[in-house]
Amino acid sequence: GQNIDQPTEMTATEGAIVQINCTYQTSGFNGLFWYQQHAGEAPTFLSYNVLDGLEEKGRFSSFLSRSKGYSYLLLKELQMKDSASYLCAVRGPGGSYIPTFGRGTSLIVHP
Amino acid sequence: GAGVSQSPSNKVTEKGKDVELRCDPISGHTALYWYRQSLGQGLEFLIYFQGNSAPDKSGLPSDRFSAERTGGSVSTLTIQRTQQEDSAVYLCASSFMRGRNPAGETQYFGPGTRLLVL
Repeated sequence: GQNIDQPTEMTATEGAIVQINCTYQTSGFNGLFWYQQHAGEAPTFLSYNVLDGLEEKGRFSSFLSRSKGYSYLLLKELQMKDSASYLCAVRGPGGSYIPTFGRGTSLIVHP
Repeated sequence: GAGVSQSPSNKVTEKGKDVELRCDPISGHTALYWYRQSLGQGLEFLIYFQGNSAPDKSGLPSDRFSAERTGGSVSTLTIQRTQQEDSAVYLCASSFMRGRNPAGETQYFGPGTRLLVL
Protein backbone atom coordinates (compact mmCIF):
# COMPACT_ATOMS: atom_id res chain seq x y z
CA GLY A 1 0.00 0.00 0.00
CA GLN A 2 0.89 3.65 -0.01
CA ASN A 3 0.88 6.27 2.73
CA ILE A 4 1.30 9.94 1.89
CA ASP A 5 1.83 12.71 4.44
CA GLN A 6 1.68 16.46 3.95
CA PRO A 7 0.90 19.36 6.30
CA THR A 8 -2.75 20.27 6.55
CA GLU A 9 -2.34 24.02 6.32
CA MET A 10 0.33 26.65 5.76
CA THR A 11 0.28 30.42 5.64
CA ALA A 12 2.72 32.77 3.91
CA THR A 13 3.08 36.38 2.89
CA GLU A 14 2.68 37.75 -0.61
CA GLY A 15 6.08 37.95 -2.32
CA ALA A 16 7.68 35.37 -0.04
CA ILE A 17 8.83 31.80 -0.70
CA VAL A 18 7.08 28.75 0.71
CA GLN A 19 8.05 25.07 0.72
CA ILE A 20 5.35 22.40 0.98
CA ASN A 21 6.69 18.99 2.00
CA CYS A 22 5.39 15.56 1.15
CA THR A 23 6.64 12.27 2.55
CA TYR A 24 5.53 8.89 1.35
CA GLN A 25 5.89 5.21 2.17
CA THR A 26 5.13 2.94 -0.77
CA SER A 27 5.72 -0.66 -1.74
CA GLY A 28 7.09 0.64 -5.02
CA PHE A 29 7.47 3.94 -6.79
CA ASN A 30 6.68 5.10 -10.28
CA GLY A 31 6.56 8.87 -10.09
CA LEU A 32 5.25 11.71 -7.93
CA PHE A 33 2.85 14.44 -8.99
CA TRP A 34 1.93 17.81 -7.54
CA TYR A 35 -1.47 19.30 -8.31
CA GLN A 36 -3.03 22.65 -7.43
CA GLN A 37 -6.69 22.82 -6.50
CA HIS A 38 -8.52 26.10 -5.94
CA ALA A 39 -11.61 25.95 -3.77
CA GLY A 40 -14.53 24.51 -5.68
CA GLU A 41 -12.45 23.70 -8.74
CA ALA A 42 -10.76 20.64 -10.24
CA PRO A 43 -7.12 19.82 -9.52
CA THR A 44 -4.70 21.04 -12.16
CA PHE A 45 -1.31 19.51 -12.92
CA LEU A 46 1.79 21.34 -11.67
CA SER A 47 4.73 18.93 -11.85
CA TYR A 48 5.93 15.36 -12.21
CA ASN A 49 9.13 13.87 -10.74
CA VAL A 50 10.37 10.34 -11.30
CA LEU A 51 14.14 10.88 -10.88
CA ASP A 52 15.92 12.49 -7.94
CA GLY A 53 16.54 16.19 -8.13
CA LEU A 54 14.90 19.51 -8.73
CA GLU A 55 12.52 20.31 -11.56
CA GLU A 56 12.02 24.03 -12.10
CA LYS A 57 9.08 25.53 -13.91
CA GLY A 58 8.74 29.28 -13.58
CA ARG A 59 7.83 30.28 -10.02
CA PHE A 60 7.22 26.64 -9.06
CA SER A 61 9.86 23.97 -8.46
CA SER A 62 9.51 20.39 -7.29
CA PHE A 63 12.15 18.25 -5.65
CA LEU A 64 12.33 14.50 -5.18
CA SER A 65 14.51 12.19 -3.09
CA ARG A 66 13.48 8.58 -3.70
CA SER A 67 15.81 7.19 -1.05
CA LYS A 68 14.19 9.39 1.58
CA GLY A 69 10.64 9.06 0.28
CA TYR A 70 10.46 12.84 0.24
CA SER A 71 9.37 15.59 -2.09
CA TYR A 72 8.71 19.28 -1.79
CA LEU A 73 7.00 21.92 -3.85
CA LEU A 74 8.66 25.33 -3.74
CA LEU A 75 6.64 28.41 -4.63
CA LYS A 76 8.53 31.66 -5.15
CA GLU A 77 7.31 35.26 -5.35
CA LEU A 78 4.00 34.25 -3.85
CA GLN A 79 0.86 35.86 -5.23
CA MET A 80 -2.58 36.03 -3.68
CA LYS A 81 -3.87 33.73 -6.44
CA ASP A 82 -1.53 31.00 -5.15
CA SER A 83 -3.91 30.50 -2.22
CA ALA A 84 -5.14 26.97 -2.91
CA SER A 85 -4.79 23.37 -1.85
CA TYR A 86 -1.66 21.57 -3.08
CA LEU A 87 -2.00 17.83 -3.58
CA CYS A 88 0.89 15.39 -3.58
CA ALA A 89 0.20 12.12 -5.45
CA VAL A 90 2.38 9.04 -5.79
CA ARG A 91 2.06 6.46 -8.54
CA GLY A 92 2.61 2.85 -7.55
CA PRO A 93 4.77 0.17 -9.12
CA GLY A 94 4.37 -1.92 -12.24
CA GLY A 95 1.02 -1.80 -13.92
CA SER A 96 -0.57 0.23 -11.17
CA TYR A 97 -0.96 3.53 -12.96
CA ILE A 98 -3.41 4.98 -10.48
CA PRO A 99 -1.83 7.66 -8.30
CA THR A 100 -2.61 7.76 -4.60
CA PHE A 101 -3.34 11.28 -3.39
CA GLY A 102 -2.44 12.87 -0.09
CA ARG A 103 -5.04 14.95 1.74
CA GLY A 104 -3.56 18.17 0.39
CA THR A 105 -1.99 21.24 1.99
CA SER A 106 -4.15 24.33 2.17
CA LEU A 107 -1.95 27.35 1.49
CA ILE A 108 -3.17 30.77 2.55
CA VAL A 109 -1.30 33.75 1.12
CA HIS A 110 -1.93 37.03 2.91
CA PRO A 111 -0.87 40.57 2.00
CA GLY B 1 -12.51 18.49 -26.93
CA ALA B 2 -11.34 21.38 -24.83
CA GLY B 3 -11.19 19.49 -21.57
CA VAL B 4 -12.88 16.92 -19.38
CA SER B 5 -16.51 17.75 -18.79
CA GLN B 6 -18.88 16.36 -16.19
CA SER B 7 -22.59 16.58 -15.67
CA PRO B 8 -24.53 17.53 -13.74
CA SER B 9 -22.37 20.06 -11.93
CA ASN B 10 -24.58 19.79 -8.86
CA LYS B 11 -27.05 17.13 -7.80
CA VAL B 12 -29.30 17.07 -4.77
CA THR B 13 -31.17 13.85 -4.16
CA GLU B 14 -33.12 12.11 -1.47
CA LYS B 15 -31.74 9.17 0.46
CA GLY B 16 -32.61 5.93 -1.29
CA LYS B 17 -32.79 7.34 -4.79
CA ASP B 18 -30.44 6.34 -7.63
CA VAL B 19 -28.16 8.89 -9.30
CA GLU B 20 -26.15 8.80 -12.50
CA LEU B 21 -23.08 10.95 -13.05
CA ARG B 22 -21.56 11.51 -16.46
CA CYS B 23 -18.00 12.15 -17.62
CA ASP B 24 -16.82 13.16 -21.09
CA PRO B 25 -13.04 12.73 -21.27
CA ILE B 26 -10.65 14.61 -23.52
CA SER B 27 -10.94 13.26 -27.05
CA GLY B 28 -8.36 10.54 -27.68
CA HIS B 29 -7.64 9.85 -24.02
CA THR B 30 -7.82 6.11 -23.46
CA ALA B 31 -7.59 6.09 -19.67
CA LEU B 32 -10.40 7.38 -17.45
CA TYR B 33 -10.53 7.58 -13.67
CA TRP B 34 -13.25 8.30 -11.13
CA TYR B 35 -12.39 9.78 -7.73
CA ARG B 36 -14.43 10.95 -4.77
CA GLN B 37 -13.47 13.94 -2.61
CA SER B 38 -15.19 14.56 0.68
CA LEU B 39 -14.82 17.80 2.62
CA GLY B 40 -11.30 18.06 4.02
CA GLN B 41 -10.30 14.69 2.60
CA GLY B 42 -7.95 13.67 -0.16
CA LEU B 43 -9.02 12.24 -3.47
CA GLU B 44 -10.31 8.71 -2.99
CA PHE B 45 -9.82 6.46 -6.02
CA LEU B 46 -12.95 4.65 -7.16
CA ILE B 47 -12.38 3.00 -10.56
CA TYR B 48 -10.09 3.11 -13.58
CA PHE B 49 -10.94 2.38 -17.22
CA GLN B 50 -8.55 1.52 -20.00
CA GLY B 51 -10.69 1.75 -23.11
CA ASN B 52 -14.03 0.22 -22.20
CA SER B 53 -12.71 -2.24 -19.66
CA ALA B 54 -12.10 -1.60 -15.97
CA PRO B 55 -8.89 -3.34 -14.89
CA ASP B 56 -9.11 -1.78 -11.45
CA LYS B 57 -12.38 -1.20 -9.64
CA SER B 58 -10.92 -1.81 -6.21
CA GLY B 59 -11.94 1.59 -4.91
CA LEU B 60 -15.69 1.21 -5.34
CA PRO B 61 -16.96 1.43 -1.74
CA SER B 62 -19.91 -0.94 -2.08
CA ASP B 63 -22.00 -2.85 -4.59
CA ARG B 64 -24.30 0.18 -4.78
CA PHE B 65 -21.60 1.80 -6.92
CA SER B 66 -21.06 0.82 -10.54
CA ALA B 67 -19.55 2.43 -13.61
CA GLU B 68 -19.38 1.79 -17.29
CA ARG B 69 -17.68 3.27 -20.29
CA THR B 70 -18.85 2.98 -23.85
CA GLY B 71 -17.11 3.64 -27.15
CA GLY B 72 -13.89 4.30 -25.29
CA SER B 73 -15.25 7.71 -24.45
CA VAL B 74 -18.15 8.68 -22.18
CA SER B 75 -18.38 7.11 -18.75
CA THR B 76 -21.23 7.00 -16.27
CA LEU B 77 -20.96 6.37 -12.54
CA THR B 78 -24.16 5.09 -10.99
CA ILE B 79 -24.94 5.12 -7.29
CA GLN B 80 -27.98 3.08 -6.29
CA ARG B 81 -30.01 3.64 -3.14
CA THR B 82 -27.95 6.67 -2.18
CA GLN B 83 -26.96 7.23 1.43
CA GLN B 84 -26.02 10.46 3.17
CA GLU B 85 -22.39 9.35 3.39
CA ASP B 86 -22.29 9.33 -0.42
CA SER B 87 -22.39 13.13 -0.35
CA ALA B 88 -19.12 14.33 -1.88
CA VAL B 89 -17.60 15.79 -5.00
CA TYR B 90 -17.15 13.15 -7.68
CA LEU B 91 -14.22 13.92 -9.97
CA CYS B 92 -13.41 12.35 -13.28
CA ALA B 93 -9.97 12.48 -14.89
CA SER B 94 -8.56 11.24 -18.17
CA SER B 95 -5.08 10.66 -19.56
CA PHE B 96 -3.50 9.57 -22.82
CA MET B 97 -1.69 6.29 -22.16
CA ARG B 98 1.33 5.98 -24.43
CA GLY B 99 3.03 2.66 -24.97
CA ARG B 100 3.93 0.29 -22.17
CA ASN B 101 5.23 2.87 -19.75
CA PRO B 102 2.61 5.47 -19.11
CA ALA B 103 4.09 6.37 -15.75
CA GLY B 104 4.47 9.97 -16.76
CA GLU B 105 0.96 10.38 -18.02
CA THR B 106 -0.70 13.43 -16.53
CA GLN B 107 -4.30 13.22 -15.44
CA TYR B 108 -6.60 16.00 -16.54
CA PHE B 109 -9.52 16.53 -14.21
CA GLY B 110 -13.06 17.60 -14.88
CA PRO B 111 -14.85 20.20 -12.72
CA GLY B 112 -16.62 17.53 -10.69
CA THR B 113 -20.19 16.78 -9.71
CA ARG B 114 -21.19 17.95 -6.26
CA LEU B 115 -23.60 15.37 -4.86
CA LEU B 116 -25.71 16.07 -1.80
CA VAL B 117 -27.87 13.31 -0.39
CA LEU B 118 -30.55 14.57 1.97
